[in-house]
Amino acid sequence: NAGVTQTPKFQVLKTGQSMTLQCAQDMNHNSMYWYRQDPGMGLRLIYYSASEGTTDKGEVPNGYNVSRLNKREFSLRLESAAPSQTSVYFCASSGIPFFGTENQPQHFGDGTRLSIL
Amino acid sequence: RKEVEQDPGPFNVPEGATVAFNCTYSNSASQSFFWYRQDCRKEPKLLMSVYSSGNEDGRFTAQLNRASQYISLLIRDSKLSDSATYLCVVNEGYQKVTFGTGTKLQVIP
Repeated sequence: NAGVTQTPKFQVLKTGQSMTLQCAQDMNHNSMYWYRQDPGMGLRLIYYSASEGTTDKGEVPNGYNVSRLNKREFSLRLESAAPSQTSVYFCASSGIPFFGTENQPQHFGDGTRLSIL
Repeated sequence: RKEVEQDPGPFNVPEGATVAFNCTYSNSASQSFFWYRQDCRKEPKLLMSVYSSGNEDGRFTAQLNRASQYISLLIRDSKLSDSATYLCVVNEGYQKVTFGTGTKLQVIP
């Protein structure tokens, strides 16, 4: 039972470098999300995809782009990494949009720890 | 005022104790609520949803007070394995979900 799989688990980048964080889920979920978690800040939504073919900005989208490649995969790209993007990144999925009124929970991957020097 | 507020703790309690956490939210129109558990350097995992009438799952009880705009989590007979950070999550609708910063619980032998 893989659930939500994120790669890589750890990454160190230099300022200005680009990289893509990969996320895949095998639960046939429609909705997928990217969060960042910083000390004292809680989880903050970067982008989400309510269904295949759609993506929308969350609370902190600046400096990021996303691609919903297919129903299973949702990638997050940093085009020009900055030290402020040092964080732990979590991908999540849910069966229906988490933003509906039904109590549908999100399932999280185990995170990518990204350091930008 | 933060949209979702939690006491960061840490709450240090002995094994077997009962402990309760509150989480307040600012948007009275918030629609659904959850408690997640997060272990150190791990991903958040759903602990339980919070229903209007309150709900219980084993040693865990969640309650919602819409009038005062808070949700609570009660843990009875605390176990060492309950040591974690507990995240309050509020779905405000209109595609907005807010996570609290978490309350850290340490259960002591």
